[in-house]
Amino acid sequence: KQEVTQIPAALSVPEGENLVLNCSFTDSAIYNLQWFRQDPGKGLTSLLLIQSSQREQTSGRLNASLDKSSGRSTLYIAASQPGDSATYLCAALDSSYKLIFGSGTRLLVRP
Amino acid sequence: EAQVTQNPRYLITVTGKKLTVTCSQNMNHEYMSWYRQDPGLGLRQIYYSMNVEVTDKGDVPEGYKVSRKEKRNFPLILESPSPNQTSLYFCASSTLAGGGETQYFGPGTRLLVL
Repeated sequence: KQEVTQIPAALSVPEGENLVLNCSFTDSAIYNLQWFRQDPGKGLTSLLLIQSSQREQTSGRLNASLDKSSGRSTLYIAASQPGDSATYLCAALDSSYKLIFGSGTRLLVRP
Repeated sequence: EAQVTQNPRYLITVTGKKLTVTCSQNMNHEYMSWYRQDPGLGLRQIYYSMNVEVTDKGDVPEGYKVSRKEKRNFPLILESPSPNQTSLYFCASSTLAGGGETQYFGPGTRLLVL
């Protein structure tokens, strides 16, 4: 059974820092891995999707990488801003087309 | 505008009173799914559907039913709700082209079962 884990559970950084969020999965047979952002009490916003055949995707200050062989994905946020404060979730679409979520990393960027 | 809509957004009900939460998407997506989000447990998939008349159980299907009679709609049915189904529910959709693309989420339905 696919399990997705995110470390750390919470992170507090000063504005301007570059930071890395980690996501690991137990079964490398995935179709894709997706990163989401969730603001308190709100829905999920897709940030980046990496297909199983890809190694990374970039959007603005965000860069996500995927290493299927090690079962890991990272989300890199450059020059963090207070507006980046949110919970970040990763999710793997497994071989049965089930979408399995990690428990999230709660990020606080201090001004 | 491409979107996933859910109704109602908020619902308070009593134990045993059947309810339906609707989900609709306007992007002609094959894949639709339902999730519940609970503090400390994260997002868990309830049911998913890969096309019309095709549904499969996710990780927590007990107490829920779904149907996919039309491509755009994927209602979630709680035939006899219980307090442990109090949760925040999300519907999502995506195309399956290329093995699966971006999941689009609805705004959520907050359910309280008394």
